Amino acid sequence: DTAVSQTPKYLVTQMGNDKSIKCEQNLGHDTMYWYKQDSKKFLKIMFSYNNKELIINETVPNRFSPKSPDKAHLNLHINSLELGDSAVYFCASSQALIRTQYFGPGTRLTVL
Amino acid sequence: GQSLEQPSEVTAVEGAIVQINCTYQTSGFYGLSWYQQHDGGAPTFLSYNALDGLEETGRFSSFLSRSDSYGYLLLQELQMKDSASYFCAVREGNQGGKLIFGQGTELSVKP
Repeated sequence: DTAVSQTPKYLVTQMGNDKSIKCEQNLGHDTMYWYKQDSKKFLKIMFSYNNKELIINETVPNRFSPKSPDKAHLNLHINSLELGDSAVYFCASSQALIRTQYFGPGTRLTVL
Repeated sequence: GQSLEQPSEVTAVEGAIVQINCTYQTSGFYGLSWYQQHDGGAPTFLSYNALDGLEETGRFSSFLSRSDSYGYLLLQELQMKDSASYFCAVREGNQGGKLIFGQGTELSVKP
């Protein structure tokens, strides 16, 4: 059984397009995250939601908009894609009082 | 500013012991975690230290000294499957679980 799942696994698109990545967790966790990992493997938090409320919003362009319809789902919508958005995007989840974060398999986004 | 420093690469042979160091400078500190990531895979949790001292989990141990802003991950009886990137991460806040990651250490285990 997959704990944290993301779709799609690969996403190839043209500059200027809009795309979405979906994330679901079946662990019953109350907190979910989006991370971006660049080509040098640097992993940086973008957003965090706790019980559908945005609690962390790092310095991320407004083109990125997370949405959490319920505490098991966290989606990421990206408008007007740019070359620099090419990266692997990881969704993760955790339970507030437990320190471990569980990562999804990642979505490799390539912007041409 | 916020920074975590760890070596970029480490090479060791099967059966050996390797230590990956991490020094940190962050605005808040609620614990130091270690994650392992194989090529093409997701980061997976290895260990967590909130207090000073050594935590042991099988072949892996992690150490923290908060007064020195320093920790390390110790891997014993290295196996080929341990070849991966290892990240230290500081939990910066008690709520929200914000993790600040280091740049990662690529460990290569040779036969």
